Amino acid sequence: DTEVTQTPKHLVMGMTNKKSLKCEQHMGHRAMYWYKQKAKKPPELMFVYSYEKLSINESVPSRFSPECPNSSLLNLHLHALQPEDSALYLCASSQSAGDRVGYTFGSGTRLTVV
Amino acid sequence: AQSVTQLDSQVPVFEEAPVELRCNYSSSVSVYLFWYVQYPNQGLQLLLKYLSGSTLVESINGFEAEFNKSQTSFHLRKPSVHISDTAEYFCAVSSHSGNTPLVFGKGTRLSVIA
Repeated sequence: DTEVTQTPKHLVMGMTNKKSLKCEQHMGHRAMYWYKQKAKKPPELMFVYSYEKLSINESVPSRFSPECPNSSLLNLHLHALQPEDSALYLCASSQSAGDRVGYTFGSGTRLTVV
Repeated sequence: AQSVTQLDSQVPVFEEAPVELRCNYSSSVSVYLFWYVQYPNQGLQLLLKYLSGSTLVESINGFEAEFNKSQTSFHLRKPSVHISDTAEYFCAVSSHSGNTPLVFGKGTRLSVIA
């Protein structure tokens, strides 16, 4: 299995809702990442998990809460989002946080906040 | 810290014509370089990478890129493009050491015209 699987593919949520994005990989990778991508922009790093521990938080608002329950799963819990949080959320993984051979990206979750 | 500059935000080109997408990087340390492609409504796919050795690297679908250390460039080329090459292309860089995640350029939109 050489894929990163993200669910759901599309999500529409209200500003008072609580939802979660899920990411799963079975490649034995020990680093996992959340990126946010706005239209016509490059991906922006949000969080990095290394060996299931949060190693980088790029000053992301607390309405985004990451969780790494085990080495294969990465969640992003969403609460009280704003319309400007609408974006494509991409998950990626790599062998380790120091791995340089390239990340494997999921197809993303297209989030719309109404 | 590393940075990447993609000089062209949009490149229109006729089908079967050659194309070059430009990428320059800045870094005080040795780097690895990557090109990722993003098709509409999809995640990022690794197109090719330079880690070490031969400065000319090739992908399976006809793209190639050449690492030029003196010019700090990693331009992407294809001698004859197809309609299916229409996509967003991102150049990315990472350092040889440490746990710094990938740094992406702003992207170049390649539009192939029939």
